[in-house]
Formats: sequence, C-alpha cells, structure tokens
Amino acid sequence: GAGVSQSPSNKVTEKGKDVELRCDPISGHTALYWYRQSLGQGLEFLIYFQGNSAPDKSGLPSDRFSAERTGGSVSTLTIQRTQQEDSAVYLCASTFALSTDTQYFGPGTRLTVL
Amino acid sequence: GQQVMQIPQYQHVQEGEDFTTYCNSSTTLSNIQWYKQRPGGHPVFLIQLVKSGEVKKQKRLTFQFGEAKKNSSLHITATQTTDVGTYFCAGPWSNDYKLSFGAGTTVTVRA
Repeated sequence: GAGVSQSPSNKVTEKGKDVELRCDPISGHTALYWYRQSLGQGLEFLIYFQGNSAPDKSGLPSDRFSAERTGGSVSTLTIQRTQQEDSAVYLCASTFALSTDTQYFGPGTRLTVL
Repeated sequence: GQQVMQIPQYQHVQEGEDFTTYCNSSTTLSNIQWYKQRPGGHPVFLIQLVKSGEVKKQKRLTFQFGEAKKNSSLHITATQTTDVGTYFCAGPWSNDYKLSFGAGTTVTVRA
C-alpha cells in the first residue's frame, strides 16, 4: 500500500484479556517504531525494530507488552492481561532506512480497556 | 536523562496573529524534525533541519535550528484555522539511533 496501515482501527476489550495490534509498514522500510499516545498526551516510545538487529525494547512499560516483526515487514504488538491504564492510541511508524529518518505514521489503533 | 522539551504546551492564537513555539534538547541533536498532528489524526512529517543555524520556510511556517543544535523553533505567521493541531519536534541525540519526541505544542485558533 501507499502508507502505513494498522489494524484494527478500534479495539474494545475487557480487563484481563490479551490483545494483538498489527502494523503493516511501507514496503521497503527497514525501521519500525511503536508508540503509545494517551488522550491529549505526547508520544511514548515503546519499541523499535531496525532490519535484522535485535529490537530496542527499552520503552515497553511492563512485561505484559511484547512485539515482534516477522520477515522484516509486518509487526504485531501484544498486550497480555490488559489493564485500564493500557487504554490509549497505539501508533506505528516506519522509516525508509536509518532509524533517524522521516517517520511515516499509521492511523493508529484506539484501544479501550473496560 | 536526555530530554526534548517543548514550550508552550498550549498556544491559543487569534486568527491572523503570529506565534512561535520552541523545542529544547538537553543534549546536541544530529537533526531536528517537526511533525503536525491534527485533532483525531496521526503525526505527519513537516520538515527536517540538519545544519547548525539552518532556517527553512514552508509558506507561513518558518523553522529554525539553533547554532548549538540543541534547540529549534517554529514560527507561524498570519495563523489560520487550518493551523489547528499539535506540533511535535523530534530528534536523535548524537549518541543514539532513534528519534525522541517532545510532548508537543497544541495550537487552537480563535476565529
């Protein structure tokens, strides 16, 4: 596709359930970021993938959060045993080559934990 | 720790007026990028500055990178309702390989 896509666009879940959020980066982009944005807040870095290198997981808030990137393309962010404080918009961004290049953001997944 | 700070957090502007928002880093940045997020939307890249003291213009928007590459500014002239949104600056520190975003300046416009 022409841009970064994310699915689902909205996810409502019950506290304690697991959720999976998907990101399809722009074809050919080697770096991929996940961010969390709470209502009215800035971008909270979660995790970063660059090519085949080990991901930078330094932003993951707890061990309930994990992410993987298969084949250097699609990425999945998994949140286990969701809590109400996990409610936020989860944004994915990809960059062409260097991790410090222009980031192209997807539309985000709005997660609501009841 | 290293931080990117933006001021002000909120900017309320009368339509037609000018304003400036600032981005300050605790350490040197190899480049500075600016993004705009419209209400309900996602951040969209505006511009990147690389050189010390660099100034770039996009129509009514003027971006500047400080001489020490630790601060940047965005100046908007003759503000329009289309300027509403949150403006984020972001930069990679010289010893890091990922972007760090400021908290953003949220702009509202009074018609």
